[in-house]
Amino acid sequence: QKEVEQDPGPLSVPEGAIVSLNCTYSNSAFQYFMWYRQYSRKGPELLMYTYSSGNKEDGRFTAQVDKSSKYISLFIRDSQPSDSATYLCAMRGFGAGNMLTFGGGTRLMVKP
Amino acid sequence: GAVVSQHPSWVICKSGTSVKIECRSLDFQATTMFWYRQFPKQSLMLMATSNEGSKATYEQGVEKDKFLINHASLTLSTLTVTSAHPEDSSFYICSARGFFSRGPPTDTQYFGPGTRLTVL
Repeated sequence: QKEVEQDPGPLSVPEGAIVSLNCTYSNSAFQYFMWYRQYSRKGPELLMYTYSSGNKEDGRFTAQVDKSSKYISLFIRDSQPSDSATYLCAMRGFGAGNMLTFGGGTRLMVKP
Repeated sequence: GAVVSQHPSWVICKSGTSVKIECRSLDFQATTMFWYRQFPKQSLMLMATSNEGSKATYEQGVEKDKFLINHASLTLSTLTVTSAHPEDSSFYICSARGFFSRGPPTDTQYFGPGTRLTVL
């Protein structure tokens, strides 16, 4: 079993829909949680980061962390075709030496 | 802030030649740089981690003599694919981790745009 599980998709939604992307994990030591967006043939771009449990909102994006369930989510409101990309969750423990562990990525397609 | 560049963005080379890819942190000092490899429609595969001034730490299964990594300064790391073969064709992405006075937590990784290597 992988440490971080993420549905690969593809997830296809109509423009304007609310998108929910999720990851589950098994390592209770993870403290920092990130979401990266990767367009085709480009490097991943940091979208959101959260520490421990709770919600964080940034524009149309909301990140949620539920450490008790080992479950994190990224919500995208009013989705746009430009949101079509692969979304990678990533997480790590506390401390400078901790490496990021990535999910496999979910491919999102927002249709006009 | 937190911009990472890579050069070249795309390289085509003949089998048997060596290719060098540069990764630079443009506006911060990167204490650690990472090199990833990504095949089409797959996630990132960590190849190695390098700390400035130290030898790189390679992940299991990655040939250190084939993928030479140098991290000579806090803003530059290079990956050299030696004696490249067609099976080395892939998308190589670097990321850099540094310390910031504000914003994302320390140790957040920022990624470069990637380098597409095609070996003929």
